[in-house]
Amino acid sequence: EPEVTQTPSHQVTQMGQEVILRCVPISNHLYFYWYRQILGQKVEFLVSFYNNEISEKSEIFDDQFSVERPDGSNFTLKIRSTKLEDSAMYFCASRDGLSNQPQHFGDGTRLSIL
Amino acid sequence: DAKTTQPTSMDCAEGRAANLPCNHSTISGNEYVYWYRQIHSQGPQYIIHGLKNNETNEMASLIITEDRKSSTLILPHATLRDTAVYYCIVRLDSGNTPLVFGKGTRLSVIA
Repeated sequence: EPEVTQTPSHQVTQMGQEVILRCVPISNHLYFYWYRQILGQKVEFLVSFYNNEISEKSEIFDDQFSVERPDGSNFTLKIRSTKLEDSAMYFCASRDGLSNQPQHFGDGTRLSIL
Repeated sequence: DAKTTQPTSMDCAEGRAANLPCNHSTISGNEYVYWYRQIHSQGPQYIIHGLKNNETNEMASLIITEDRKSSTLILPHATLRDTAVYYCIVRLDSGNTPLVFGKGTRLSVIA
């Protein structure tokens, strides 16, 4: 069964450094999402992406964050200057273009900011 | 904020049916009910969804009340591997609409 894959599984970065989290959505899916989950807290929506542009974003997704689909397969989340509070699990999700279809999630990247 | 209310935790004996309730009294006519689960810190796993009819797939059954204000996810024969946090989410049928996760129900399947 096709799945969403995320790399790396764990990323350790110094505060203030840039980090790029990578995702390969399910082939032929058209909608892409990033969520995050701080340890012990709820899964929170960050951003949705469709037709090569951001569709929706939450208050969390400030100017330090950006997303890109650089080619036909990858979907990336960049944090420009990381802060301690960016430490979390980051989940990528995708869904196909048909109505009423579920989002499918990857297993996430654990981001640890030192 | 999540538009659903779920019990914080539940236990279920291995091999028995697990019935997980969810209240969504403010659901609107074009919102679907989705169920996901999260095992440890893995990514949320899709289970099932429905609009107003009961649904069944290889993982579970979803029973939605006639007024659509509540639903129940049924795992017919729970195993230890079904121990997870289960999320009930209502979502508009629109491609861009994100999922809004609440705290879910922590289901513990006991041998």
